[in-house]
Amino acid sequence: QKEVEQDPGPLSVPEGAIVSLNCTYSNSAFQYFMWYRQYSRKGPELLMYTYSSGNKEDGRFTAQVDKSSKYISLFIRDSQPSDSATYLCAMIFMDTGRRALTFGSGTRLQVQP
Amino acid sequence: DAGVIQSPRHEVTEMGQEVTLRCKPISGHNSLFWYRQTMMRGLELLIYFNNNVPIDDSGMPEDRFSAKMPNASFSTLKIQPSEPRDSAVYFCASSPGLAGKYEQYFGPGTRLTVT
Repeated sequence: QKEVEQDPGPLSVPEGAIVSLNCTYSNSAFQYFMWYRQYSRKGPELLMYTYSSGNKEDGRFTAQVDKSSKYISLFIRDSQPSDSATYLCAMIFMDTGRRALTFGSGTRLQVQP
Repeated sequence: DAGVIQSPRHEVTEMGQEVTLRCKPISGHNSLFWYRQTMMRGLELLIYFNNNVPIDDSGMPEDRFSAKMPNASFSTLKIQPSEPRDSAVYFCASSPGLAGKYEQYFGPGTRLTVT
Protein backbone atom coordinates (compact mmCIF):
# COMPACT_ATOMS: atom_id res chain seq x y z
CA GLN A 1 0.00 0.00 0.00
CA LYS A 2 1.33 3.41 -0.97
CA GLU A 3 1.64 6.04 1.72
CA VAL A 4 -0.40 8.49 -0.37
CA GLU A 5 -3.15 7.33 -2.69
CA GLN A 6 -4.55 9.45 -5.49
CA ASP A 7 -6.87 8.47 -8.33
CA PRO A 8 -4.90 8.96 -11.58
CA GLY A 9 -7.97 9.85 -13.63
CA PRO A 10 -8.29 11.18 -16.23
CA LEU A 11 -11.15 13.28 -14.93
CA SER A 12 -13.07 15.07 -17.66
CA VAL A 13 -15.54 17.85 -16.82
CA PRO A 14 -17.33 20.60 -18.77
CA GLU A 15 -16.23 24.19 -18.39
CA GLY A 16 -17.82 25.84 -15.36
CA ALA A 17 -18.14 22.62 -13.36
CA ILE A 18 -16.98 22.19 -9.78
CA VAL A 19 -14.04 19.79 -9.64
CA SER A 20 -13.21 17.64 -6.62
CA LEU A 21 -9.75 16.08 -6.37
CA ASN A 22 -8.88 13.80 -3.49
CA CYS A 23 -6.04 12.01 -1.73
CA THR A 24 -5.90 9.62 1.16
CA TYR A 25 -2.91 8.86 3.30
CA SER A 26 -2.04 6.12 5.72
CA ASN A 27 0.24 7.68 8.32
CA SER A 28 -0.97 10.27 10.82
CA ALA A 29 2.58 11.65 10.98
CA PHE A 30 1.83 13.51 7.75
CA GLN A 31 1.07 17.03 8.94
CA TYR A 32 1.60 19.60 6.19
CA PHE A 33 -0.40 19.29 3.00
CA MET A 34 0.07 20.85 -0.39
CA TRP A 35 -1.53 20.79 -3.79
CA TYR A 36 0.50 21.30 -6.93
CA ARG A 37 -0.58 21.82 -10.51
CA GLN A 38 1.66 20.50 -13.24
CA TYR A 39 1.19 21.34 -16.89
CA SER A 40 2.70 19.05 -19.48
CA ARG A 41 6.49 19.35 -19.62
CA LYS A 42 6.56 21.94 -16.82
CA GLY A 43 7.55 21.91 -13.16
CA PRO A 44 4.97 21.48 -10.37
CA GLU A 45 3.41 24.79 -9.34
CA LEU A 46 2.31 25.26 -5.73
CA LEU A 47 -1.41 26.03 -5.50
CA MET A 48 -2.35 25.56 -1.87
CA TYR A 49 -0.56 24.85 1.38
CA THR A 50 -2.25 24.04 4.67
CA TYR A 51 -1.59 22.48 8.04
CA SER A 52 -4.84 22.50 9.95
CA SER A 53 -7.92 20.41 9.52
CA GLY A 54 -10.67 22.40 7.87
CA ASN A 55 -10.92 24.55 4.76
CA LYS A 56 -8.60 27.07 3.19
CA GLU A 57 -9.78 29.17 0.26
CA ASP A 58 -7.82 31.05 -2.39
CA GLY A 59 -9.84 32.42 -5.28
CA ARG A 60 -11.50 29.53 -7.11
CA PHE A 61 -9.53 26.96 -5.13
CA THR A 62 -10.45 25.44 -1.75
CA ALA A 63 -8.24 22.97 0.07
CA GLN A 64 -9.86 20.75 2.66
CA VAL A 65 -8.09 18.58 5.23
CA ASP A 66 -9.68 15.95 7.43
CA LYS A 67 -6.93 14.55 9.63
CA SER A 68 -9.27 12.20 11.48
CA SER A 69 -10.10 10.46 8.21
CA LYS A 70 -6.64 10.99 6.67
CA TYR A 71 -8.27 12.57 3.65
CA ILE A 72 -7.53 15.77 1.76
CA SER A 73 -9.38 17.44 -1.09
CA LEU A 74 -8.96 20.24 -3.56
CA PHE A 75 -12.05 21.88 -5.00
CA ILE A 76 -11.96 24.02 -8.12
CA ARG A 77 -14.99 26.22 -8.74
CA ASP A 78 -15.99 27.52 -12.16
CA SER A 79 -13.41 25.31 -13.84
CA GLN A 80 -11.74 26.66 -16.98
CA PRO A 81 -9.99 24.92 -19.89
CA SER A 82 -6.76 26.47 -18.56
CA ASP A 83 -7.19 24.34 -15.43
CA SER A 84 -6.48 21.24 -17.55
CA ALA A 85 -3.36 19.77 -15.99
CA THR A 86 -2.19 17.09 -13.59
CA TYR A 87 -2.88 17.85 -9.93
CA LEU A 88 -0.56 16.39 -7.34
CA CYS A 89 -1.19 16.20 -3.64
CA ALA A 90 1.90 16.24 -1.43
CA MET A 91 2.54 16.05 2.26
CA ILE A 92 5.37 16.21 4.74
CA PHE A 93 6.14 13.48 7.25
CA MET A 94 6.94 15.28 10.47
CA ASP A 95 7.93 12.48 12.85
CA THR A 96 11.58 12.17 11.94
CA GLY A 97 12.26 15.77 11.05
CA ARG A 98 12.45 14.81 7.41
CA ARG A 99 11.08 17.67 5.35
CA ALA A 100 10.87 16.07 1.93
CA LEU A 101 7.51 15.83 0.19
CA THR A 102 5.72 12.56 -0.36
CA PHE A 103 3.60 12.87 -3.49
CA GLY A 104 0.47 11.23 -4.73
CA SER A 105 0.62 9.86 -8.24
CA GLY A 106 -1.36 12.80 -9.64
CA THR A 107 -4.84 13.18 -11.16
CA ARG A 108 -5.06 14.30 -14.77
CA LEU A 109 -7.89 16.81 -15.21
CA GLN A 110 -9.40 17.80 -18.54
CA VAL A 111 -11.84 20.71 -18.66
CA GLN A 112 -13.80 20.66 -21.89
CA PRO A 113 -14.79 24.05 -23.39
CA ASP B 1 11.83 36.92 -7.79
CA ALA B 2 13.12 34.70 -10.60
CA GLY B 3 12.07 31.50 -8.88
CA VAL B 4 14.16 28.35 -8.89
CA ILE B 5 16.50 28.23 -11.87
CA GLN B 6 17.74 24.99 -13.39
CA SER B 7 20.16 24.28 -16.21
CA PRO B 8 20.34 22.79 -18.68
CA ARG B 9 16.66 22.41 -19.55
CA HIS B 10 17.37 19.44 -21.78
CA GLU B 11 20.31 17.07 -21.85
CA VAL B 12 20.94 14.23 -24.25
CA THR B 13 23.98 12.12 -23.59
CA GLU B 14 25.39 8.70 -24.32
CA MET B 15 25.61 5.93 -21.80
CA GLY B 16 28.78 6.16 -19.74
CA GLN B 17 29.11 9.92 -19.97
CA GLU B 18 29.12 12.25 -16.97
CA VAL B 19 26.11 14.50 -16.55
CA THR B 20 25.94 17.57 -14.31
CA LEU B 21 22.66 19.28 -13.49
CA ARG B 22 22.60 22.71 -11.89
CA CYS B 23 20.22 24.55 -9.63
CA LYS B 24 19.93 28.04 -8.18
CA PRO B 25 17.35 28.18 -5.35
CA ILE B 26 15.16 31.12 -4.45
CA SER B 27 17.18 33.70 -2.57
CA GLY B 28 16.73 33.41 1.19
CA HIS B 29 15.50 29.82 1.14
CA ASN B 30 17.37 27.51 3.50
CA SER B 31 16.37 24.12 2.11
CA LEU B 32 17.01 22.64 -1.31
CA PHE B 33 15.64 19.40 -2.71
CA TRP B 34 16.41 17.28 -5.77
CA TYR B 35 13.56 15.14 -7.12
CA ARG B 36 13.28 12.81 -10.10
CA GLN B 37 10.06 12.25 -12.04
CA THR B 38 9.30 9.24 -14.22
CA MET B 39 6.07 7.85 -15.59
CA MET B 40 6.53 4.63 -13.67
CA ARG B 41 7.51 6.00 -10.26
CA GLY B 42 6.18 9.57 -10.23
CA LEU B 43 8.06 12.19 -8.21
CA GLU B 44 10.68 10.84 -5.87
CA LEU B 45 13.12 12.59 -3.56
CA LEU B 46 16.79 12.04 -4.30
CA ILE B 47 18.46 14.24 -1.69
CA TYR B 48 17.87 17.35 0.31
CA PHE B 49 20.03 19.99 1.94
CA ASN B 50 19.36 22.31 4.82
CA ASN B 51 21.69 25.29 5.19
CA ASN B 52 23.97 23.72 2.53
CA VAL B 53 24.34 20.49 4.53
CA PRO B 54 22.99 17.19 3.12
CA ILE B 55 20.28 15.98 5.51
CA ASP B 56 18.73 13.01 3.71
CA ASP B 57 20.28 11.23 0.74
CA SER B 58 18.34 7.99 1.15
CA GLY B 59 16.76 8.49 -2.26
CA MET B 60 20.03 8.60 -4.18
CA PRO B 61 19.88 5.46 -6.34
CA GLU B 62 23.49 4.41 -6.05
CA ASP B 63 27.05 5.64 -5.96
CA ARG B 64 26.83 6.89 -9.51
CA PHE B 65 24.80 9.82 -8.17
CA SER B 66 26.32 12.62 -6.13
CA ALA B 67 25.12 16.06 -5.10
CA LYS B 68 26.81 19.11 -3.70
CA MET B 69 25.76 22.48 -2.38
CA PRO B 70 28.91 24.59 -2.04
CA ASN B 71 26.96 27.72 -1.08
CA ALA B 72 23.43 28.93 -0.44
CA SER B 73 22.82 29.89 -4.05
CA PHE B 74 24.04 26.88 -6.01
CA SER B 75 23.72 23.10 -6.10
CA THR B 76 24.74 20.39 -8.52
CA LEU B 77 23.56 16.85 -9.14
CA LYS B 78 26.09 14.68 -10.94
CA ILE B 79 25.63 11.28 -12.54
CA GLN B 80 28.76 9.38 -13.44
CA PRO B 81 28.61 7.14 -15.41
CA SER B 82 25.13 7.73 -16.79
CA GLU B 83 22.87 4.83 -17.83
CA PRO B 84 19.70 4.70 -19.96
CA ARG B 85 17.58 4.00 -16.86
CA ASP B 86 18.60 7.43 -15.54
CA SER B 87 16.46 9.05 -18.24
CA ALA B 88 13.88 11.17 -16.40
CA VAL B 89 13.00 14.74 -15.53
CA TYR B 90 15.06 16.05 -12.63
CA PHE B 91 13.56 18.82 -10.54
CA CYS B 92 15.16 21.09 -8.01
CA ALA B 93 12.95 22.71 -5.36
CA SER B 94 13.63 25.16 -2.56
CA SER B 95 11.83 25.96 0.66
CA PRO B 96 12.10 28.67 3.30
CA GLY B 97 13.02 25.89 5.70
CA LEU B 98 11.72 27.79 8.72
CA ALA B 99 9.32 26.44 11.33
CA GLY B 100 5.87 26.31 9.80
CA LYS B 101 7.19 27.39 6.37
CA TYR B 102 7.73 24.07 4.65
CA GLU B 103 6.17 24.74 1.28
CA GLN B 104 8.42 23.94 -1.67
CA TYR B 105 8.82 25.77 -4.95
CA PHE B 106 9.94 23.85 -8.00
CA GLY B 107 12.15 24.78 -10.90
CA PRO B 108 11.26 23.98 -14.52
CA GLY B 109 13.24 20.75 -14.49
CA THR B 110 15.99 19.19 -16.59
CA ARG B 111 14.83 16.55 -19.05
CA LEU B 112 17.63 13.98 -19.25
CA THR B 113 17.84 11.41 -22.01
CA VAL B 114 20.61 8.81 -21.86
CA THR B 115 21.00 6.77 -25.06
